[in-house]
Amino acid sequence: SQQGEEDPQALSIQEGENATMNCSYKTSINNLQWYRQNSGRGLVHLILIRSNEREKHSGRLRVTLDTSKKSSSLLITASRAADTASYFCATLPFGNEKLTFGTGTRLTIIP
Amino acid sequence: NAGVTQTPKFQVLKTGQSMTLQCAQDMNHEYMSWYRQDPGMGLRLIHYSVGAGITDQGEVPNGYNVSRSTTEDFPLRLLSAAPSQTSVYFCASTNRQGTYEQYFGPGTRLTVT
Repeated sequence: SQQGEEDPQALSIQEGENATMNCSYKTSINNLQWYRQNSGRGLVHLILIRSNEREKHSGRLRVTLDTSKKSSSLLITASRAADTASYFCATLPFGNEKLTFGTGTRLTIIP
Repeated sequence: NAGVTQTPKFQVLKTGQSMTLQCAQDMNHEYMSWYRQDPGMGLRLIHYSVGAGITDQGEVPNGYNVSRSTTEDFPLRLLSAAPSQTSVYFCASTNRQGTYEQYFGPGTRLTVT
């Protein structure tokens, strides 16, 4: 079964607005990662947050992690048309080398 | 560096046929994995390998075989294709000494009729 579940499944916003997507997971993790997938392409790693971190930034990306709620959020600020893609969270459990992906959020930026 | 390469990009098989999806990486990564991606299901792990000669099952291993004779190559074999194996297949690799950030290949789109 999927370890992570993203919410919402699909999101459409105007260019320049902020986009927030959420990920919930089930077991204790070593780290949580976010990936982007453009249509018809492989996934590209965006950002990683370790279990002992609460927030991380990379450019226009901000990730938060709440291990007590087993949830994470990805914020993309000042969205651009090029941000249109599917976004997946993935979790690396403790004591396990199987990175498990969620079902993804389909983000559409409207110019 | 080419990164992770996969061949073929597209393949159509008839039910019962067998084939091998090729995956290679030039980053000297110990860890390699195969995923399948189906609409609404995200990516599901089929098999993975933590080094040459070592493989293990993921979430959906049935109907697939793997081997790892070299660090660079990790082929995925479909023994007797079924329509349920119609999917997009991704190979990925990572360095086990790091944080397991995965590098993905471009994918193989497989249709089984």
